[in-house]
Amino acid sequence: RKEVEQDPGPFNVPEGATVAFNCTYSNSASQSFFWYRQDCRKEPKLLMSVYSSGNEDGRFTAQLNRASQYISLLIRDSKLSDSATYLCVVEPNTGKLIFGQGTTLQVKP
Amino acid sequence: DGGITQSPKYLFRKEGQNVTLSCEQNLNHDAMYWYRQDPGQGLRLIYYSQIVNDFQKGDIAEGYSVSREKKESFPLTVTSAQKNPTAFYLCASNRGDSQETQYFGPGTRLLVL
Repeated sequence: RKEVEQDPGPFNVPEGATVAFNCTYSNSASQSFFWYRQDCRKEPKLLMSVYSSGNEDGRFTAQLNRASQYISLLIRDSKLSDSATYLCVVEPNTGKLIFGQGTTLQVKP
Repeated sequence: DGGITQSPKYLFRKEGQNVTLSCEQNLNHDAMYWYRQDPGQGLRLIYYSQIVNDFQKGDIAEGYSVSREKKESFPLTVTSAQKNPTAFYLCASNRGDSQETQYFGPGTRLLVL
């Protein structure tokens, strides 16, 4: 089993749609969780950290379920500019980050 | 401007050749990391350094070497022993605290001729 697993997609959605991505992780000792965004042929950039209580940043909401060992990212009112690959990242209390393979989102007009 | 720079943006390697990828940061970060990304895959850790003059192997260190003589610089050499070097190479840094996110440079795309 991979340490961090994501559905690679692609997710093709119309503008204005709500879309959700899930990610599962295998190490129950993991302490920190992040969502990164990566545009085509660019470096990953931090989108948001994921806190135990869940957190929201504008149209983006991240949730953590420690019991089931999964993280989710919800994007509301999708924009064309949201088209990118979203990487789920876990820090299993080793100081090193473990990256999922990414979920590709394509928002269509 | 504070940030991480990588050069060159594209690099071509001939068979049997060693090539060195540059990574510099002016964020005063203690820790630096090298990752490799292949199409459709997540990032895999090659080497990391938590302090000057010290570095550790990551998950796929074979065929690569690094040095950390200065806090600001963490060059990666792709040796001829790396049989499949074509990939997108990303350098990252952070303060080195556990549970901290990392900040990435723009990457170097290495192609084999």
